[in-house]
Order: sequence, then structure tokens, then C-alpha cells
Amino acid sequence: DAKTTQPPSMDCAEGRAANLPCNHSTISGNEYVYWYRQIHSQGPQYIIHGLKNNETNEMASLIITEDRKSSTLILPHATLRDTAVYYCIVRPLGYDKVIFGPGTSLSVIP
Amino acid sequence: DVKVTQSSRYLVKRTGEKVFLECVQDMDHENMFWYRQDPGLGLRLIYFSYDVKMKEKGDIPEGYSVSREKKERFSLILESASTNQTSMYLCASSTPEGYTEAFFGQGTRLTVV
Repeated sequence: DAKTTQPPSMDCAEGRAANLPCNHSTISGNEYVYWYRQIHSQGPQYIIHGLKNNETNEMASLIITEDRKSSTLILPHATLRDTAVYYCIVRPLGYDKVIFGPGTSLSVIP
Repeated sequence: DVKVTQSSRYLVKRTGEKVFLECVQDMDHENMFWYRQDPGLGLRLIYFSYDVKMKEKGDIPEGYSVSREKKERFSLILESASTNQTSMYLCASSTPEGYTEAFFGQGTRLTVV
């Protein structure tokens, strides 16, 4: 079973920040939180990942709560091209499975 | 800059045919994965491999088998294709360490008629 829960869908106005939440209450101390997105008919694309500290790259920011039980992916200025399904996963170490949940379908509205 | 390559983007096969889906990665990754994706069901893990000749079943292995004879290549085999195996198939690879991302291929859309 996926170790994360996300809302099934969200809307965001173009140009505004999109905040996508994820709960991972059973995360282990040495497991990373990863975010991917999938635009229709393409393979999933890596966005960002983190362990404890907040992270930022050219695509997004990742905010992880102090207890690590939840996180938020922030797209600071959403565009129509950000319309996609966003997956939050907990990345196991070693040779374990990588399990995807259903993700959040983000619609960016003009 | 291609890292994970799937042999076909679109494939049409007949019921009962033996089908091979091929995946090659050029990053020397230990782990490789096969998923299928259907509307409303997300990505479901079929099989994964953590080393040459090593494999483990995922959540939906029935009707599939895999082969990993070389580190860079992971094949998904449909022994006798059926219409309910019509789907998008995605291959991925990763290192065992948790701090690096998995890379995905562009997918193979298989239609069984």
C-alpha cells in the first residue's frame, strides 16, 4: 500500500501559488519524501525531494513539517502547463518497492 | 539526454500473442521497475528487479513475467496477451539509495485486440 494520502483533485488560478498537501504519518526516520508529476500521456517527471529540511529548486518548493508526518509542494506561480497529476511518495531505502498512490490532479485555471 | 528508453511508444497485438516490452537504462542503476497505468487507478507496480537475474512481484504480477539478464535491460513479458492487458506500461530505474530520484521512460501504450 502507498504510504501517503493526497486530495484527489485541486484547482488553482493561473499566476497564483499552488499548494499541494501530502500526509505520510508512518514515514520512517531515514525515508525521503519525493514529488513527481505526470502530464497526460507522458512518463512521470521528478520535481523535488527532501528528508527533513525544506527544499527549493527551479520548479518548486517542498515544505516538510517538523514531525515529518506531512509535507506541502508549492508551485510559486502556477501556469497552464502545470496542469498534471502530482504524486507524493515515500522513497524506501535499499531494494524495496516504489509505490505510487492515486496522486492529486491539479487543474490550473486561466 | 535520454536515460530510460522503452522500445516502443505504441504497440498493437492480438489476443494470445506473446508480447515483449523492453526497457533500457544508461545510468547503471541497480533497481528497475515495471508499472501499468489505467484511468482512475494510478500507477500499479507489476514487477521490480534489484539486480541482474533478481526479481520480485509487485501488486499485480498475474499474467506477466520479467527478465533481467543484463543490468541495463529489464523486459516485461506477456505470455499470452489478453484484452484486459490493454494499458500504458511504464518502466523506471533507480539506485537503492533514498536520496536520488527514480527516472521513468515515456511509456508504451499497448492495445490488445
